[in-house]
Amino acid sequence: GQQVMQIPQYQHVQEGEDFTTYCNSSTTLSNIQWYKQRPGGHPVFLIQLVKSGEVKKQKRLTFQFGEAKKNSSLHITATQTTDVGTYFCAGPRNTGKLIFGQGTTLQVKP
Amino acid sequence: NAGVTQTPKFRILKIGQSMTLQCTQDMNHNYMYWYRQDPGMGLKLIYYSVGAGITDKGEVPNGYNVSRSTTEDFPLRLELAAPSQTSVYFCASRTSGRAAHYYNEQFFGPGTRLTVL
Repeated sequence: GQQVMQIPQYQHVQEGEDFTTYCNSSTTLSNIQWYKQRPGGHPVFLIQLVKSGEVKKQKRLTFQFGEAKKNSSLHITATQTTDVGTYFCAGPRNTGKLIFGQGTTLQVKP
Repeated sequence: NAGVTQTPKFRILKIGQSMTLQCTQDMNHNYMYWYRQDPGMGLKLIYYSVGAGITDKGEVPNGYNVSRSTTEDFPLRLELAAPSQTSVYFCASRTSGRAAHYYNEQFFGPGTRLTVL
């Protein structure tokens, strides 16, 4: 069945360093969503990418959707302690479901 | 709007007990979902509903049941609890997409942390 894989599973960075997480789907996606979950919290929607090759920015966060619409990335420039959490990508199935990746947990050392 | 609310926040069950996890949303969303999240893992879909009276299985439905008698409520029933059901349970909801390729964001509740001993 359709799978969405994320790497790395964990990342520890020093505050101020950059961070990137990658998301790969076994099938072409109509769109991809990104969510952030703070420790002890619930997932919160960040963004949706729809077009092939699309790039969107939210302050220090840059999201990219691959040309083949099978992969995506999230890049954070100059991480801060407020960036700590787990970042999930998710792709839709036709039946209205979302398939979530395993997530990348980011730790930031001050 | 309160958004998506879940009760209880925490619960400890003994093996073989049953319970219902409550989920309510006040956004008039037609789609609702139940996920479980095991430590360090992603979200696994248990059941979902596309509207009142319609439910369907997700990836991990065994040991659970749902009902959707109203738009607002989507309770999850655990029968004969087992230690493997120890997890954090999230309910989520969304509206229909405004276009075929657009899939509206899911809004998550705060979760229920369940331990089965």
